[in-house]
Amino acid sequence: EAQVTQNPRYLITVTGKKLTVTCSQNMNHEYMSWYRQDPGLGLRQIYYSMNVEVTDKGDVPEGYKVSRKEKRNFPLILESPSPNQTSLYFCASSLEGQGEPYEQYFGPGTRLTVT
Amino acid sequence: QQPVQSPQAVILREGEDAVINCSSSKALYSVHWYRQKHGEAPVFLMILLKGGEQKGHEKISASFNEKKQQSSLYLTASQLSYSGTYFCGTAYRWGTYKYIFGTGTRLKVLA
Repeated sequence: EAQVTQNPRYLITVTGKKLTVTCSQNMNHEYMSWYRQDPGLGLRQIYYSMNVEVTDKGDVPEGYKVSRKEKRNFPLILESPSPNQTSLYFCASSLEGQGEPYEQYFGPGTRLTVT
Repeated sequence: QQPVQSPQAVILREGEDAVINCSSSKALYSVHWYRQKHGEAPVFLMILLKGGEQKGHEKISASFNEKKQQSSLYLTASQLSYSGTYFCGTAYRWGTYKYIFGTGTRLKVLA
């Protein structure tokens, strides 16, 4: 089954404790992206990757890191989480649509709470 | 800057029609539409490209006016399953993979 998986689905952590949210897709998609969703602010892009070893910042990259060492995986790293990073996070992947991402497939989401 | 959607929220009865608008202050290369049901991830509905090419959903249609920098999503004879939040999205410019979603429209269909 074609899918994007994220782990963990729920995470409660404390300020400053490094964490990684994993994302994996089995569709051989070139493009992968991370979004955060907050009430009243909608979906905002954190980082995206056009292919292996190629990543770039979205609209809200501060406090986050990513890497793309393999085509299928795109982990999101919070090196020193803060309460303002409490949010619902989505990973997405798509084929490269000739200059832009095409239909994006989203993972189930990770709800992160930082206390 | 986020594309602005209108209305912010709409309530319909089954069988009624609705139009959701997406308006941008910047030129659009293409527009994508997604629906997100409560507690779920967004799901792709449709893509509209410059030049009028349209792809997507069989029961929902959309238009894209490049000159006005606007797109509209048309839901006809709405069903209960149409309830959710609708987002437009765009990469703004060919060759950029940075992506931005609109402000969202909450739609609720009542029996």
